[in-house]
Amino acid sequence: EVQLVESGGGLVQPGGSLTLSCAASGITFNTYWMLWVRQGPGKGLEWVSLIKSDGSSTSYADSVKGRFTISRDNGKNTLYLQMKSLTAEDTAVYLCAARGYPDDYWGQGTLVTVSS
Amino acid sequence: SYVLTQPPSVSVAPGQTARITCGGNNIGSKSVHWYQQKPGQAPVLVVYDDSDRPSGIPERFSGSNSGNTATLTISRVEAGDEADYFCQVWDSSSDHVIFGGGTKLTVL
Repeated sequence: EVQLVESGGGLVQPGGSLTLSCAASGITFNTYWMLWVRQGPGKGLEWVSLIKSDGSSTSYADSVKGRFTISRDNGKNTLYLQMKSLTAEDTAVYLCAARGYPDDYWGQGTLVTVSS
Repeated sequence: SYVLTQPPSVSVAPGQTARITCGGNNIGSKSVHWYQQKPGQAPVLVVYDDSDRPSGIPERFSGSNSGNTATLTISRVEAGDEADYFCQVWDSSSDHVIFGGGTKLTVL
């Protein structure tokens, strides 16, 4: 059974930092592109960042570029998202996804709330 | 940056056909993927590469893509199809993943 389990979310003050993790099991992790996608309260899906299977290439949405850093540890089957300079607009459920069409797996997400 | 436009809502009676559109500049040249998301749940891929179905997805779900519009078609709509649907493409010019704004499908 494939499982993607996010962790690390929580309440953080504006300007603060947080690191999210996504632990994968049941897949050959190092063959999948990995994504972070977020969903604000009552809103649609917003792509945040992507990292290719060997970690050689990353990309970011304009809204987070320069503030967020995606990384992966293929030895630990884990994806990370380091977030800094957080604002209220970053409040959302953050989901990780493993992309390898037709294989496509998602976690249930971790909630990040940015508030004073 | 590349933009995908979906209608906010589509309503259809049970047993009828629902068509959800996704507009984008020359979207026919890109591969379009469609996701279904029910409240409180993670998205589920229902169509990939314009018109292919992952295993386990009913044949009632189909897709097409040409010109400036991609379409997700759900035939013989059931109450359980009520959900939000999102289209998605890969914009190779920017290396960005692009999602449409989503369409809420209501089964009357």
